[in-house]
Formats: sequence, structure tokens, C-alpha cells
Amino acid sequence: EAGVAQSPRYKIIEKRQSVAFWCNPISGHATLYWYQQILGQGPKLLIQFQNNGVVDDSQLPKDRFSAERLKGVDSTLKIQPAKLEDSAVYLCASSLLAGVDTDTQYFGPGTRLTVL
Amino acid sequence: GESVGLHLPTLSVQEGDNSIINCAYSNSASDYFIWYKQESGKGPQFIIDIRSNMDKRQGQRVTVLLNKTVKHLSLQIAATQPGDSAVYFCAPSRDGNNRLAFGKGNQVVVIP
Repeated sequence: EAGVAQSPRYKIIEKRQSVAFWCNPISGHATLYWYQQILGQGPKLLIQFQNNGVVDDSQLPKDRFSAERLKGVDSTLKIQPAKLEDSAVYLCASSLLAGVDTDTQYFGPGTRLTVL
Repeated sequence: GESVGLHLPTLSVQEGDNSIINCAYSNSASDYFIWYKQESGKGPQFIIDIRSNMDKRQGQRVTVLLNKTVKHLSLQIAATQPGDSAVYFCAPSRDGNNRLAFGKGNQVVVIP
């Protein structure tokens, strides 16, 4: 079974530029998550989708971050404009079910963003 | 907010020895706990999980112990191998919607 796919794997941009990340979850997984992982810290949830609806975006900096999951499959996360403190690894995860509190999340390899 | 801490930031262990990684959590409502392993340059990888109605669960070379009374869980790795070198995260569920609270992680270094 194919895992969670993410692209690009690495991205370097200058501050105030825009960037987008793409995630393809495991086939059939209803729930998709975007996390931000700053160096030396654990992943922090940015947004959670169930199918194509947002369940939780309370920690998403909405003035600059946006995410969508059209058709309930692939998802994109965008940052516009980027700041230096956005340098981090952006992880996508998916889980099979929707609305279940004991469903394993499977992570992709992440996109490492460096903002100069 | 959730406070999740690990007692030892770095654990150095001799190859072949057993490793124990501890984790304290603060949210008494947490009812599901996952241990993840993250190798350099990779995403977190599921190791083992445990639900609050259990106090012990075993996998291949790994055992998780849960003590809800003191809000503590541990991950035991038997016969630690070089491939076990990684950062380990315990992630209690934050609420009933499968949201996980990750701590900083605990680095395990296996000495050959």
C-alpha cells in the first residue's frame, strides 16, 4: 500500500514570497492533517480535514496560511506571504476514518521549507 | 493547553540493551496514546498505540505501559538496535476528534 505522498521535499524561498505544498493521502483515507514541525519540536497541528470539510483550523495563522482539500482527496497548503519564522518541516498525515478518536495517523515524509 | 513532557531529552543506550522512554501528560481526558518514531529527514512513523482501558500493550520488541493514575506512559524497546536511533514522540489524544498533542520528543542514540 502506498503511503502519504508530499511534494516538493525541499523548498527555499525569500521572505514575503509565496509557497504551496501538496499532499496525496493514503487511498480511501477520510481524514487529512497538516502539521508544522519546527526544528527540535514535535509536530503542531495546523488544520484537519474530514473528507473535504474543515474540522479544526484553530492553530492555522489564517492571515497568511490557507489550505484546501477539493474533492476530499488531495490537499494543498499555501503560505502567502512567508515569514522567516515559517521555516519548518510541513507534514501531511491521513487516517482512515472520520470522527473517530482512536484512528492511527500515517505521516508523509514532509516538505522542508527554508525562508531566507 | 496540553502539556506533554519527556523526562530525558537524550537517551544513549548500548546496542543489545533495553531502552525505556518515559512520557508524562497533563490532560486527564486523554484516552488514546500513540508512540511515534521519527528518523532524520523522515516523517513520524507509527510504532504502537494504547487505549485508556489498557495498562500494557506489546508489539514486536516494543512494550508500552500506561499508568493513568499518575498520567504517565513509557515505551520499552527490547534489544535495542542501531536502527532504533531516532526521536521518539508520545502523542496523547487531545479530545474526541483524533487530535494528538505531541511533546518535544526524546532522542535515542544507540551505541554500537
